[in-house]
Amino acid sequence: GQQLNQSPQSMFIQEGEDVSMNCTSSSIFNTWLWYKQDPGEGPVLLIALYKAGELTSNGRLTAQFGITRKDSFLNISASIPSDVGIYFCAGQANFGNEKLTFGTGTRLTIIP
Amino acid sequence: DAGVIQSPRHEVTEMGQEVTLRCKPISGHDYLFWYRQTMMRGLELLIYFNNNVPIDDSGMPEDRFSAKMPNASFSTLKIQPSEPRDSAVYFCASSPFTTGHHLSGNTIYFGEGSWLTVV
Repeated sequence: GQQLNQSPQSMFIQEGEDVSMNCTSSSIFNTWLWYKQDPGEGPVLLIALYKAGELTSNGRLTAQFGITRKDSFLNISASIPSDVGIYFCAGQANFGNEKLTFGTGTRLTIIP
Repeated sequence: DAGVIQSPRHEVTEMGQEVTLRCKPISGHDYLFWYRQTMMRGLELLIYFNNNVPIDDSGMPEDRFSAKMPNASFSTLKIQPSEPRDSAVYFCASSPFTTGHHLSGNTIYFGEGSWLTVV
């Protein structure tokens, strides 16, 4: 089946630093989504990407849909303490098929 | 606007007992999903419904698991009998209807999860 490899698995950074994480797939996806999960909560959608090459920003967050349709990245600029959490990428392979495949997550820890 | 509502938030039960998890999707959303999250396996899709009809249950681990959606505003996930390996966080999620092939409206919104511990 399809798999999403997300890296890095964990990150320890200082407040104010920029963050970059990515997701790669063994097959093509037509939609990429990035979610954040806070402790004890469900994943919350951050950014959705629907077109190869698309670059989308949401505040300090920027995500891109790779040209090959097999990868995506998420950048966070000037990190702040509330950015702590687990970030998941998710891909959807087929239009009209609602199934999402989730990455393994990137755990972000910010050192004061 | 209320999000996806799940109950119970936490449940501890003994092995062999029946567990029922409940979900109320966002009003107007046509798709409902049940996911399970564990440290070992991450987020796994168990089953999803479209307009109350189960579309894909290939992720349901075994016959002990069943899910129903009797109407557009309610779904249950049942485990009978429960086993310790079923301990996980179970998320319900919903998504609005999409028209055509462009999925600009097709984002999935998660509930806060039901934290199940089977001892």
